[in-house]
Amino acid sequence: QKEVEQDPGPLSVPEGAIVSLNCTYSNSAFQYFMWYRQYSRKGPELLMYTYSSGNKEDGRFTAQVDKSSKYISLFIRDSQPSDSATYLCAMGNAGGTSYGKLTFGQGTILTVHP
Amino acid sequence: EPEVTQTPSHQVTQMGQEVILRCVPISNHLYFYWYRQILGQKVEFLVSFYNNEISEKSEIFDDQFSVERPDGSNFTLKIRSTKLEDSAMYFCASSEVAGGLSAEQFFGPGTRLTVL
Repeated sequence: QKEVEQDPGPLSVPEGAIVSLNCTYSNSAFQYFMWYRQYSRKGPELLMYTYSSGNKEDGRFTAQVDKSSKYISLFIRDSQPSDSATYLCAMGNAGGTSYGKLTFGQGTILTVHP
Repeated sequence: EPEVTQTPSHQVTQMGQEVILRCVPISNHLYFYWYRQILGQKVEFLVSFYNNEISEKSEIFDDQFSVERPDGSNFTLKIRSTKLEDSAMYFCASSEVAGGLSAEQFFGPGTRLTVL
């Protein structure tokens, strides 16, 4: 079983739709979670960072973490064509022998069409 | 807004040659990282660096790789003898801390390494 699983898509939605992106993970040591947006051949851009279970909202983005189910989600409301990109989930654990290593999902390709 | 910068944006080299990829992390960050992404594949961790030492490295980071912070601002990744399979995007990242409430990692734009 992969440590982090993410549906690669591609996902195509109309402008204005609510988008749901998900990752599951197997390593219960993961404590913090990030969502990145990556445009083609560019660096990952940090969208959301969460450290605990529950929801975190920032503008049109909501990150959700359910540690008991080992499941995280990113919701995008009122999606725009400029949201078209690859969305990466990443997670890490603190302490012990870990010093910030992030484990990434495969990435979900999202297209928002006008 | 502070950002991580990387140079060069694209590096072409011959197999067996040495390359040095350069990064300038965000100035108040203390933890530095290198990741790579082979075309079409996931982003993979290579190494983390703190207090002038390697903190953690992956199995990819073998003896051909080394990292250095030669001065107060630069952070470099050296590949001693490049192989075809080293062709990838290499990303530098930095964070204030390695875990906990402020562990956000900010990535640079990447260096595309092409080994011929």
